[in-house]
Amino acid sequence: GNSVTQMEGPVTLSEEAFLTINCTYTATGYPSLFWYVQYPGEGLQLLLKATKADDKGSNKGFEATYRKETTSFHLEKGSVQVSDSAVYFCAPAEFGSWGKLQFGAGTQVVVTP
Amino acid sequence: DGGITQSPKYLFRKEGQNVTLSCEQNLNHDAMYWYRQDPGQGLRLIYYSQIVNDFQKGDIAEGYSVSREKKESFPLTVTSAQKNPTAFYLCASSPTETSLHFGNGTRLTVT
Repeated sequence: GNSVTQMEGPVTLSEEAFLTINCTYTATGYPSLFWYVQYPGEGLQLLLKATKADDKGSNKGFEATYRKETTSFHLEKGSVQVSDSAVYFCAPAEFGSWGKLQFGAGTQVVVTP
Repeated sequence: DGGITQSPKYLFRKEGQNVTLSCEQNLNHDAMYWYRQDPGQGLRLIYYSQIVNDFQKGDIAEGYSVSREKKESFPLTVTSAQKNPTAFYLCASSPTETSLHFGNGTRLTVT
């Protein structure tokens, strides 16, 4: 089965700083890769995804590139805002898994004004 | 607007009581899921259902039960056999092989 390792949080940044959250995974097959975001007191929302090697997912200024050779899917944003404060989850999903994602532990990001 | 509704947002129960968490979706998705989230941990899959009247155990099904009598509904019962029921419970749905849509969760506290 799949497993995923995310960098531990909390990550504390000032507004307009550059954000990177590292994510590496192990998989027996060739998974699709997802980043989800959870704002305080809410469920998770899909942030971005990539389905094959070298694909770049992007949304709301966030980007992540599917790196098959390093089995990584690091999340980046060039200039964070206070509203980006949330918990971010990396998750691979094998084809045929019917959305049964294997979630990382999550990385809390705190952006201060 | 289509979405997933979980109710209630907060739920309190005494130890030894069964409790049922509601999950309803109007997205016309075939598959539905229940996850449990504990502080500082990722989500863990409890049960999932790919089609009406069928469901499978996830990674931590012990002490839980589900039913899927209608496409729109996937209620989760936390039984008295669940040793550590206090947690944040998330319901999700997906149209086959795509990403998950989550509800806003139910926070269950058992004392």
